[in-house]
Parts: sequence; C-alpha cells; structure tokens
Amino acid sequence: AQTVTQSQPEMSVQEAETVTLSCTYDTSESDYYLFWYKQPPSRQMILVIRQEAYKQQNATENRFSVNFQKAAKSFSLKISDSQLGDAAMYFCAYTNGAGNNRKLIWGLGTSLAVNP
Amino acid sequence: DADVTQTPRNRITKTGKRIMLECSQTKGHDRMYWYRQDPGLGLRLIYYSFDVKDINKGEISDGYSVSRQAQAKFSLSLESAIPNQTALYFCATSGYPNLETQYFGPGTRLLVL
Repeated sequence: AQTVTQSQPEMSVQEAETVTLSCTYDTSESDYYLFWYKQPPSRQMILVIRQEAYKQQNATENRFSVNFQKAAKSFSLKISDSQLGDAAMYFCAYTNGAGNNRKLIWGLGTSLAVNP
Repeated sequence: DADVTQTPRNRITKTGKRIMLECSQTKGHDRMYWYRQDPGLGLRLIYYSFDVKDINKGEISDGYSVSRQAQAKFSLSLESAIPNQTALYFCATSGYPNLETQYFGPGTRLLVL
C-alpha cells in the first residue's frame, strides 16, 4: 500500500532564511503525482506545488520549489526567503496516475514556525 | 470570490441531531470529495463523486451520507451526530485537465456535544 511519511512534526526558520521540509513516500507505481499543501491558522487547505512523476524537472512556484528524487522516493519542499505568512502546517500528498481511483494519500504534516 | 465554498463555516450540534454540510463550486469540475481532518490522523476520505450520477464510499463512510444535487453541489449529512464526529470537514474538487489535483474549500468546523 502507498504511504507518505513526513518525519519532521515541527520546524522553525528565521524570516528571510531558507527552510526545507522532508517527505518520503512508498509506492510500486511508476506514474503518480505528488503535492504539497499549506494549511495556515485560517485552516484553509491551499495547494502549494504539484509534481508529475514522469517529469524529471523539479517543480517551482515563486519562492517554493521541490527536490524530487524518484529513485529515493523523496519529495522535499524548499521555501526560500521565508515570510511570516509562510507559518502553517504543510502536508505532503500522493496520488497514483492511473485509472479513476485517484485517492490522495496524506502525510501527517509538518508545522512550520517563522521567527521574525 | 472563492471557487469552492462551504456552509456553514462553524456548527455546534447535539448528539442525535441530523445535520447537513453543503459544498458549492464554480470551478466547473466534475469530481467532488468530502474529507474529515482530525489532529494526529491527517485527512481521511468520507465520500467522493465523479459526476452527478456517481457516488462512492471512502475509507470512513459509516455514519455519513451524501447527495450530489448538481455538478456544482455536493452535500454531506450526518444522520444522527455523535461526539466522535467532531472534526474539521473539507470539501474538495478536481477536474480536467488535471483530474488528480484537488482544490479545497475553507472547511467546516463541527462540534458535536
């Protein structure tokens, strides 16, 4: 069965610094998608970034980028120039790319604090 | 305006009451989902629907039912609420061209006394 593991329950970063959140996953599929979602104190679940497994190029969205290591089944999120508004829970999620049953498998999250 | 809306945003109810949580979307997506979020357990899928005539149980459907009234509307009902259904409930949608990418509503915080 597919699983997603976030090994860092809590992390902190100084404003303007860079932080990397870790995520590993387990799957026997070759076609799948990986996501990072952000959940700020407002509790909204916001899509941060999306990676297609068949693409070797790492996805980037402004200050957010990923380091996708397919062989190692690792999908880390790098936040550059951290801002106070980046403080949130960050969830890593996986879904397979085939068929209709594209269920999202979630990690338990990493709580990120940003210190001024 | 938000693409995925949920009503109510907060709800307090008593054990045994029937309640309905509503979700509407303007994204034009065919697929809609209901999740609950509990501390330490992450998000768990309750029900999902791939179109108006398609309803599927998720991993924790017991005690819940759903109705897909239209492409844009997907309601979740608790037939007889119990305290362990206290949680944060999310509606999500996905559609072409990226069926795998889900977009979430703001959530409904439910407290069952």
